[in-house]
Parts: sequence; C-alpha cells; structure tokens
Amino acid sequence: RKEVEQDPGPFNVPEGATVAFNCTYSNSASQSFFWYRQDCRKEPKLLMSVYSSGNEDGRFTAQLNRASQYISLLIRDSKLSDSATYLCVVNRDDKIIFGKGTRLHILP
Amino acid sequence: SQTIHQWPATLVQPVGSPLSLECTVEGTSNPNLYWYRQAAGRGLQLLFYSVGIGQISSEVPQNLSASRPQDRQFILSSKKLLLSDSGFYLCAWGRLAGVHGTQYFGPGTRLTVL
Repeated sequence: RKEVEQDPGPFNVPEGATVAFNCTYSNSASQSFFWYRQDCRKEPKLLMSVYSSGNEDGRFTAQLNRASQYISLLIRDSKLSDSATYLCVVNRDDKIIFGKGTRLHILP
Repeated sequence: SQTIHQWPATLVQPVGSPLSLECTVEGTSNPNLYWYRQAAGRGLQLLFYSVGIGQISSEVPQNLSASRPQDRQFILSSKKLLLSDSGFYLCAWGRLAGVHGTQYFGPGTRLTVL
C-alpha cells in the first residue's frame, strides 16, 4: 500500500459546483498535512495547511480525520481558475511524502 | 518577503554529460532546503534535503549529488546524466529548522536528457 494515496481523477466539474477529494495516508505517526495546487508545467504552490480541527480559507475547506487517516479538500462555488492538480502532502519528522495529485477540470 | 530562484529554466543535455542546477533563496536565513524531481506522469520525489551549510541528507540512491556551499544556496549535480534523469527539478525551502513543515517551491528546471 502506498504511503499517501489520491484519486488521480480527472474530476470534471461544472463551474459553480462543489467538489471534494480525499487523500489517505498509511502511517499513523504522520504529523503535519498540507494541500498544494500545481498548474500545468508549473511549480506546486501551497494552498493550505490542514489542522486537526479543520480549517477554512474562503471557498476552500480542509479536514483531517486521524482515526481514519485521511485528509479532505472541499472547494465551493468552483471557478474556472480552480482547474489544476491538487497535491496532498503528509510529513513526519524524518519524511515528506507527496501524493501524485488529483486533477480537477472546471467546465464552463 | 522571501523569494526562491532556480536556473536554468530549461535544459537539454546529452547522456553522459555533467549537470549543475542552482537554487538560491532570498529574504530568510538558515532555511531548510530541498531538491525534488517530478518525472512525467509521476509524483514529486524528494531527492535531497539540507538543514544547514554542508549538511545533506540523501533520500534516493542515484547518480545525483547535492551541496550547500552557502546558507541560501543549494546545488544539484551529476557527473554523468542518464536518460532516466529527465524530469522537472524543483527546489524548495522551508522555515522550521530541523522540521519538515510548509515548503515553498522555486519555478523549477525542466531537464531533458537525450
């Protein structure tokens, strides 16, 4: 089993819809969690950290479920500019693991 | 504010040639520094990280090496490139000394080995 797994997609979602994707991790010792977005042929950019209590940044909400070992990202009122690949990152003291990403296409 | 630079942006090299990619960070001191590779259709693979000058940890055995000659300079090298070294090379920096936290990426170098 891979240490960090994401559904590769693509998720094709109409503009204005709500979309959610999950990322599962296998090591319960994982300590910190992040979502990054990566546009085609560009570097990843930090979208948001994920806190145990859940956190929101505008249209984006991140959740962490330690018991089930997954994190989630919810995007409300999706925009065309949200089209990108979303990478889940799971860190421990000695290791950083990036998921392969979930591709999202927002359709006009 | 902090900025991270990488060069060159693109590179085409023959098999067996040497490689040197440079990364510099401005606006912060004593950052953690990282080299990643992203091969086509694959996820980000951590190659090296450094928590201080001259301190390099290697994550994946291969024909690449890294050096940190100055606090905010990180260099990725190879003596002889392989076809499998093609990919998108990303440098990143992080704030928390000794801890892998939030990372910020440079614009990357797209390397093609022919």
